[in-house]
Amino acid sequence: EVQLLESGGGLVQSGGSLRLSCAASGFTFNNYAMNWVRQAPGKGLEWVSTISGSGGTTYYADSAKGRFTISRDNSKNTLYLQMNSLRAEDTAIYYCAKGLSSSGYYYWGCENWGQGTLVTVSS
Amino acid sequence: EIVLTQSPGTLSLSPGERATLSCRASQSVRNNYLAWSQQKPGQAPRLLIYGASSRATGIPDRFSGSGSGTDFTLTISRLEPEDFAVYYCQQYADSPFTFGPGTGVDIK
Repeated sequence: EVQLLESGGGLVQSGGSLRLSCAASGFTFNNYAMNWVRQAPGKGLEWVSTISGSGGTTYYADSAKGRFTISRDNSKNTLYLQMNSLRAEDTAIYYCAKGLSSSGYYYWGCENWGQGTLVTVSS
Repeated sequence: EIVLTQSPGTLSLSPGERATLSCRASQSVRNNYLAWSQQKPGQAPRLLIYGASSRATGIPDRFSGSGSGTDFTLTISRLEPEDFAVYYCQQYADSPFTFGPGTGVDIK
């Protein structure tokens, strides 16, 4: 069974930093792209960042570029999101999501989701 | 950037009725890399459909996806009480891997 467990959220002041983690189990971690998706209170889903299985390719939303860094440690089956220069508008639940696979091929996209970790940025 | 527009914003239906949700892309979605996910209040999203029309593991066959290019549809053939939720489409063809704003399906 795929399990994704996010941690590291909390209350931080504007301009501060946080590092989110996502511990993965139940699948061959290094085969899959991984994603961070966030959801501000009462709002829709917003894609934040994606990293390939090897870690060699990364993508960011414009809102995250230059402030957030996605990374992974395949030896620990763990995904990270380093968030710097946080703003009030970064307040959201941050979900970790495993990439898609079908018929032995691997794709971007979100197949399995964690329960999320809440980040609150106070101004 | 591919912008996804979902309609309607809210759909009010009764259990047993058919639901038809639309997702329109601002440009063609390469290889129809379009997914639909369901989210209930207080829960994480759940993947329903990927590749525009393939059901994810464990998803009941009352959920179906169709479409190609820029126009995609999620159909729920007969609404069950547990289907009242918000539905999002996402394109995963080209970064940024954008989501639509969502369609809420609520009980009439």
